[in-house]
Amino acid sequence: AQTVTQSQPEMSVQEAETVTLSCTYDTSESNYYLFWYKQPPSRQMILVIRQEAYKQQNATENRFSVNFQKAAKSFSLKISDSQLGDTAMYFCAFITYNNNDMRFGAGTRLTVKP
Amino acid sequence: NAGVTQTPKFQVLKTGQSMTLQCAQDMNHEYMSWYRQDPGMGLRLIHYSVGAGITDQGEVPNGYNVSRSTTEDFPLRLLSAAPSQTSVYFCASSYWGGRGPNTEAFFGQGTRLTVV
Repeated sequence: AQTVTQSQPEMSVQEAETVTLSCTYDTSESNYYLFWYKQPPSRQMILVIRQEAYKQQNATENRFSVNFQKAAKSFSLKISDSQLGDTAMYFCAFITYNNNDMRFGAGTRLTVKP
Repeated sequence: NAGVTQTPKFQVLKTGQSMTLQCAQDMNHEYMSWYRQDPGMGLRLIHYSVGAGITDQGEVPNGYNVSRSTTEDFPLRLLSAAPSQTSVYFCASSYWGGRGPNTEAFFGQGTRLTVV
């Protein structure tokens, strides 16, 4: 079975601080993509960052970066210099080359406090 | 650019009624999918399509039908609405490279459906 686990239902961080959201996944496939999506109160799903499993280098997008540990099947998201606009639900997801079923975690609700 | 357009944004149905959620994309994406989002469960795949005329079931297909007559449109039909189908529904599309999706999924704005 292919599963995604986000063990932190809720987190909070002070503005300008750094926070790390955890994600682990389970698959027997070796070729896959990993994603972090942000869902603000508007409900829109917004891609934050993506990682291709064959790339060893961790992806970065401005203040967002990942720590991808393929052997451990771990894909955590680090948000640096947190901003009030980062307040949202964050979903970890992955999809394999051989399976059309994108799997999502249950989400982590992040609140950035002023 | 419209991206993925999903209608309606809100809908209330009575148990047993049927309805169709519309989804259209203008990015010429082969891959389209429908998800439902329930509290504490993330998004779960209902049905997906890798091209016109090709559809398949996802994780939670029961009670839903889809068809894909054109590349642009991928409607989701609720055959006989039940309270268990109260949820937020998302349509998404992405490029299908033949060896797995190699770009992000673009999502519609979602439909909040309540079945009473």
